[in-house]
Amino acid sequence: EVQLVESGGGLIQPGGSLRLSCAASGFTVSSNYMSWVRQAPGKGLEWVSLISSGDNTHYADSVKGRFTISRDNSKNTLYLQMSSLRVDDTALYYCARGHVLGFFDLWGRGTLVTVSS
Amino acid sequence: EIVLTQSPGTLSLSPGERATLTCRASQSVSSMYLAWYQQKPGQAPRLLIYGASSRATGTPDRFSGSGSGTDFTLTISRLEPEDFAVYYCQQYGSSPLLTFGPGTKVDIK
Repeated sequence: EVQLVESGGGLIQPGGSLRLSCAASGFTVSSNYMSWVRQAPGKGLEWVSLISSGDNTHYADSVKGRFTISRDNSKNTLYLQMSSLRVDDTALYYCARGHVLGFFDLWGRGTLVTVSS
Repeated sequence: EIVLTQSPGTLSLSPGERATLTCRASQSVSSMYLAWYQQKPGQAPRLLIYGASSRATGTPDRFSGSGSGTDFTLTISRLEPEDFAVYYCQQYGSSPLLTFGPGTKVDIK
């Protein structure tokens, strides 16, 4: 079955670090554009980061310098290393498979990150 | 920086009615890079339309997309009960690399 399963979310204090994982099945992460998209409670969608099949990485200004996207091809897994977390990083983080035309045709169910003291 | 604006914020309609949702970009967007998503409560977004007018696999033909430049439209010809949801437009390729609109909620009148 083609799917994405996120994990690693939780409650973390401001300034802390967390690593999210996204395990893919049914397709190869390294051959696709992969992204993280987040959704704060009751709010809309916000793109966070993207890694291309050629290993180019891109970040939203709101997370640049604090978050790092990567993947482990041997595990067919995408990661998001988050550091210097802020209260406004609180959101449901989705992993999504992207297309070269920039749309996302496969989404995980998300993992919730809560940044609070 | 490209900003996407969606209107209306909320659209209250009855089943069987036609829904017209608008996405406006602050600068021209290539229609190749304009997509629409549907999101229901407690669910991940689902791709409906890509390339401004191409239906994704599984998208019913009552959904259609159109537009170019700065103005794009998602039309639902006859609303079914399962269509009441939030709809987002999204662009790719312009600074910032990727943005979503704020969404339009289609709810039952």
